[in-house]
Order: sequence, then structure tokens, then C-alpha cells
Amino acid sequence: DGGITQSPKYLFRKEGQNVTLSCEQNLNHDAMYWYRQDPGQGLRLIYYSQIVNDFQKGDIAEGYSVSREKKESFPLTVTSAQKNPTAFYLCASSIGATNEKLFFGSGTQLSVL
Amino acid sequence: GENVEQHPSTLSVQEGDSAVIKCTYSDSASNYFPWYKQELGKRPQLIIDIRSNVGEKKDQRIAVTLNKTAKHFSLHITETQPEDSAVYFCAAIEGGSYIPTFGRGTSLIVHP
Repeated sequence: DGGITQSPKYLFRKEGQNVTLSCEQNLNHDAMYWYRQDPGQGLRLIYYSQIVNDFQKGDIAEGYSVSREKKESFPLTVTSAQKNPTAFYLCASSIGATNEKLFFGSGTQLSVL
Repeated sequence: GENVEQHPSTLSVQEGDSAVIKCTYSDSASNYFPWYKQELGKRPQLIIDIRSNVGEKKDQRIAVTLNKTAKHFSLHITETQPEDSAVYFCAAIEGGSYIPTFGRGTSLIVHP
């Protein structure tokens, strides 16, 4: 293991609170992604970034925000607008446009208090 | 956009049996089809992939087949072992993109 690190492993959110999930990679990958995993729902794309200072919405971006100020880092903020945030969140990276293989982090389980 | 359907959602087999997981995709422009395995509490990892110019690919006990005409692809695991127990995800990627669309996953349980 190694290469792409997510923290924390577990996170609890209170009503009306924003929380930020960390994702760091040292693989020198250009592309990074955030997926949400719910039981029986597979992996759904929240946001992705192909290059520093640029990111695109995925299929379920509402209630989430991201930034990509550094190549190594792609933090995800779950805002209070996300009414059902309880899920397992996976960050991934890939070399970029020339290689589609994803490398995943170990995930963050977010729960609502 | 692409839509990937995966079946079954749960598959239970006895050790030594074969297991087959099937996926269909909607976009005929998709040309890359990876399979990821996620063991309980661990991160998904790529186990095998296939491109649209190939009909079948094997790696030891696992194989993937692709039928472009019917737009479906399958994962075959032979001589299953308890350590094969995991959730398996198929995905499809459209040519020119590198963003995968995932199926909903299949929970494979191999009973000793």
C-alpha cells in the first residue's frame, strides 16, 4: 500500500457542518478523482481533476466542493447542502489521458451524528 | 453518457466452482473495460482489463471476454478459492476519455 493516502479513516459530521476529506498522492499522477460508495450503488463519481487548478463535476456533485491547488492534493469538502452524506468516500488517481488505470486510496467512512 | 449494468449483485459458490459476472454497456464508443476487486475493508484494485480490439484475455484463474456486437463483457473465475471472496466492479471507458463508468458491483462469496 502507499502512493495515495486518504485521511481520516473515519469522520463524523454534525448537522449544518462542513467537513473536509484529505487525499494526497505521491505517484506524480495528473488526474485525481472522488467517488462515493453506497451499498448496492457501486462507485459514483463526485468530482475529477485532470490538471492542477482545474476540476470537473461528476454525476453527483451537488453538496460537494473540491480544490486542486497542488498536483499531489485533491481535498473534498462535504457541505451542509449535502443532505445524505453518510457513505464511504474513495479517492483515486491515474496517470492521465494516456492511461486509464485507477489507483485508489483506502477510503474515508463519513457518518452523521 | 455511458451506462453499465452488472449482474448478479450477489453470487455464492462453493470452493473449486467457477464464477461468472456479467456486465453490459450502452455506449458503442467505449473501448476499454477494466475489472476491480475490493476485498472487505480494503481499497479497490485492478485485476484484469480488456480493450475493444481483443475478444478474450486470461491471467491465471481469471479471464475476461468481450462481445462488442452485443455490448457485453464478462469476468470468469475458475477454481474459486475463499480468498476470491470480494466485491467485483466492472467499468467501461469511452474512447477519448479516461473516466470510467462503474457497474454497481457483485459480491462474490466463496464457501470453503
